[in-house]
Amino acid sequence: GAVVSQHPSWVICKSGTSVKIECRSLDFQATTMFWYRQFPKQSLMLMATSNEGSKATYEQGVEKDKFLINHASLTLSTLTVTSAHPEDSSFYICSARDWSGQETQYFGPGTRLLVL
Amino acid sequence: GEDVEQSLFLSVREGDSSVINCTYTDSSSTYLYWYKQEPGAGLQLLTYIFSNMDMKQDQRLTVLLNKKDKHLSLRIADTQTGDSAIYFCAESLRAAGNKLTFGGGTRVLVKP
Repeated sequence: GAVVSQHPSWVICKSGTSVKIECRSLDFQATTMFWYRQFPKQSLMLMATSNEGSKATYEQGVEKDKFLINHASLTLSTLTVTSAHPEDSSFYICSARDWSGQETQYFGPGTRLLVL
Repeated sequence: GEDVEQSLFLSVREGDSSVINCTYTDSSSTYLYWYKQEPGAGLQLLTYIFSNMDMKQDQRLTVLLNKKDKHLSLRIADTQTGDSAIYFCAESLRAAGNKLTFGGGTRVLVKP
């Protein structure tokens, strides 16, 4: 149980294009999902908290117009990197919180983005 | 403020026990977690402990929590080569909307 998937697992795109990453909770309902960014050999940096049916809450320093988050259902959240640039290249990881009993976050396998 | 710290690296021989340490500064944490990350992969939840507990054991894993010293440790018994990975501790703060604050990760290398 508590499986979270991400799609795609990796993507290469040209500078200026937009990339959409999907995060799905496969066997539970997630009212809250989180998006993280991880640079090589570094820890995870929380970008935003996504609540189903409402606007995402962005962490300080994260551009909401750059990183569009949509959480339209209890099992799906999407992150769109708009007008991607090489500095957006990173490993993006989502997590979903299962409220059945306690507050654990379950993580997806990550999406590696390379912007050329 | 929120600050979670871990040592960067641990080398251990196969079959020995590994102990990974973590310190945190916010005493209002509700849950403390240990996650494992293998190369190119997401985070796998290993175990967690509620802040009013001192110890939790789950098969080869033992978590010890010293609230007074704000110190968390993860002991892996009979360490195997498949345990080589990066281990992250994280704390959940109710006051921060139950967001996770991660340590920098400890890279564990198991030598045969």
